[in-house]
Amino acid sequence: NAGVTQTPKFRILKIGQSMTLQCTQDMNHNYMYWYRQDPGMGLKLIYYSVGAGITDKGEVPNGYNVSRSTTEDFPLRLELAAPSQTSVYFCASIIKSGSKNEQFFGPGTRLTVL
Amino acid sequence: GQQVMQIPQYQHVQEGEDFTTYCNSSTTLSNIQWYKQRPGGHPVFLIQLVKSGEVKKQKRLTFQFGEAKKNSSLHITATQTTDVGTYFCSGGSNYKLTFGKGTLLTVNP
Repeated sequence: NAGVTQTPKFRILKIGQSMTLQCTQDMNHNYMYWYRQDPGMGLKLIYYSVGAGITDKGEVPNGYNVSRSTTEDFPLRLELAAPSQTSVYFCASIIKSGSKNEQFFGPGTRLTVL
Repeated sequence: GQQVMQIPQYQHVQEGEDFTTYCNSSTTLSNIQWYKQRPGGHPVFLIQLVKSGEVKKQKRLTFQFGEAKKNSSLHITATQTTDVGTYFCSGGSNYKLTFGKGTLLTVNP
C-alpha cells in the first residue's frame, strides 16, 4: 500500500490563480481530511469527508472547495489564491478499527502565494 | 467550539534529560491521540488513549489520560536526539479531531 499520497509537493501561485491539490489513499478508508499548517502552528481542519459524496466544512473552509466522488480521492480546490493561503497542506485519512482513530497523513503540499 | 491547548510551546533539553508535554481540552474528550512530526515531515500517529485514567507506555514514552478525560500528558524519559520534533495531541468526536498547537522539542547532544 502507498498509504496517503499528495501532489504536488511544492507549488508557487500568483494571487488570483487557482489550483487543485490532489490526495489519494489506497487503504479503503471512509474518512478523509484536509488540514493546513502555518509555521509554528498546529493543524487546522479545512474540510472533511465521511464517505464518497459527503463533505463538510471544518474550522477554516473559506477560500477552499472539496469534492469526494470516489472513496480514494479527495481533492482540495483553491479558486482565487491569496497570500493568506500560503501554508503547508496535509491530507489525512482515518481507519476505523473498533475505537481506534489513527489518522494517516500524506507527505504534504507546500504552497506559496505571491 | 472545542479548544485543545498544549504547553509548553517549546522545550529545549540536554540529551538524557526528561521531557513532558501537557494537553488540556475545554470539553470532555471521548478519546485523545498523540502524534509526532519531525522537522519538514508529516504527523505520525503514536498512540490513542480512551479510558479515564489510562496510562500507556511505548519504550521511553509514557502517555496518560486524565480522570476527567479533559487532559493528557506525554512524558519522555532520557531524551535522545531522535526524539526531536513537534508533539501534537488531538481529540474530539470519533471522526472530527481538533489538534493542539504542539510542543516543539529540541535536544542538545
